[in-house]
Amino acid sequence: EPEVTQTPSHQVTQMGQEVILRCVPISNHLYFYWYRQILGQKVEFLVSFYNNEISEKSEIFDDQFSVERPDGSNFTLKIRSTKLEDSAMYFCASSELSGGADTGELFFGEGSRLTVL
Amino acid sequence: SQQGEEDPQALSIQEGENATMNCSYKTSINNLQWYRQNSGRGLVHLILIRSNEREKHSGRLRVTLDTSKKSSSLLITASRAADTASYFCATPWFDKIIFGKGTRLHILP
Repeated sequence: EPEVTQTPSHQVTQMGQEVILRCVPISNHLYFYWYRQILGQKVEFLVSFYNNEISEKSEIFDDQFSVERPDGSNFTLKIRSTKLEDSAMYFCASSELSGGADTGELFFGEGSRLTVL
Repeated sequence: SQQGEEDPQALSIQEGENATMNCSYKTSINNLQWYRQNSGRGLVHLILIRSNEREKHSGRLRVTLDTSKKSSSLLITASRAADTASYFCATPWFDKIIFGKGTRLHILP
């Protein structure tokens, strides 16, 4: 069964360092998302991506965050200068359909745990 | 915000009993989804119910949707230890899907 894969599963970094989290969505999906979950808390939307551009982003997704799909298969989330409060589980998800009127099922990866020291 | 709110926040029941979780949301929707998350894992889609549906079944899951009350419920019948997880309702909002805070379900042996 096709699945979303994420790497790394766990990354520890020093405050101020850049981090890149990688995702390989399901191959025929068109819509891609990043969510984050601080330990034991709610799943927060960060950004949605379609047709090689951001379709929507949350207030959390400020200038230190960026996403790209560099090679047609990988979907990356970059955090330029990490802060302590960026420590969280970051989930990538993909879908055949958008989050709008024809909402499709989201397929999630297992997440990348980011620890900022 | 379109975020749904699940109720209760946590629920502990004996194995074999039924578990009911509720979700309330704020604005009109055309569908609502439920997801499950085992501890430390990714979310897994359980079921989608459309606004023109009142009830939907999938195995031991039963979902209801009351658009007049802006609420949904998820019923898990004959609970098993493996049902221990967090359950989230999710609603569409423009080009994203928004998750509630979840209900932590614990099945006692």
